Amino acid sequence: GQNIDQPTEMTATEGAIVQINCTYQTSGFNGLFWYQQHAGEAPTFLSYNVLDGLEEKGRFSSFLSRSKGYSYLLLKELQMKDSASYLCAAMDSNYQLIWGAGTKLIIKP
Amino acid sequence: ETGVTQTPRHLVMGMTNKKSLKCEQHLGHNAMYWYKQSAKKPLELMFVYSLEERVENNSVPSRFSPECPNSSHLFLHLHTLQPEDSALYLCASSQEVGTGGHEQYFGPGTRLTVT
Repeated sequence: GQNIDQPTEMTATEGAIVQINCTYQTSGFNGLFWYQQHAGEAPTFLSYNVLDGLEEKGRFSSFLSRSKGYSYLLLKELQMKDSASYLCAAMDSNYQLIWGAGTKLIIKP
Repeated sequence: ETGVTQTPRHLVMGMTNKKSLKCEQHLGHNAMYWYKQSAKKPLELMFVYSLEERVENNSVPSRFSPECPNSSHLFLHLHTLQPEDSALYLCASSQEVGTGGHEQYFGPGTRLTVT
């Protein structure tokens, strides 16, 4: 079956760095997406990886290892507004997104 | 603002009611989606439309009936729902279906409560 695993909840301190991991098992693979969702709001796109390696975009970076079925989202210089759920989704051979349940990130002052 | 709007934002309905959710995208996209989001569960894809034609129906009960009159509008008609259907219903759009690399843009969702 197809499956995405990510931690349910993480806590970090303002100004620090946090890494949110995601492992996936899909029938075929056409890329890995990360979305941010604040409570009561729409998920918003953060990053897309289809090749191995690190993609950096400001304070956020995303890493992919296709051979390991593994990705992580790295958030630097954490701000209170980064408190949100982070959703990992892998695109399968039919170009459908398989979603994880999300990681709730709590930022403490 | 993501360019995708949904109405209503909140809906409370009884099990015998009929109601409709509306989604509109202003991005010129060709694909539109309905998702169900329940607490602490992954997003569940319900329906996918490409250029107004349904291309995916993920074993959704017939009490949910989608309609896509044009590539900018998507409806979800609801009738005789069950309490377990209470959830956040999200609409999304993307440039195309069946290609990689195109992110989906989500609306704010309709919080549905079935009593």
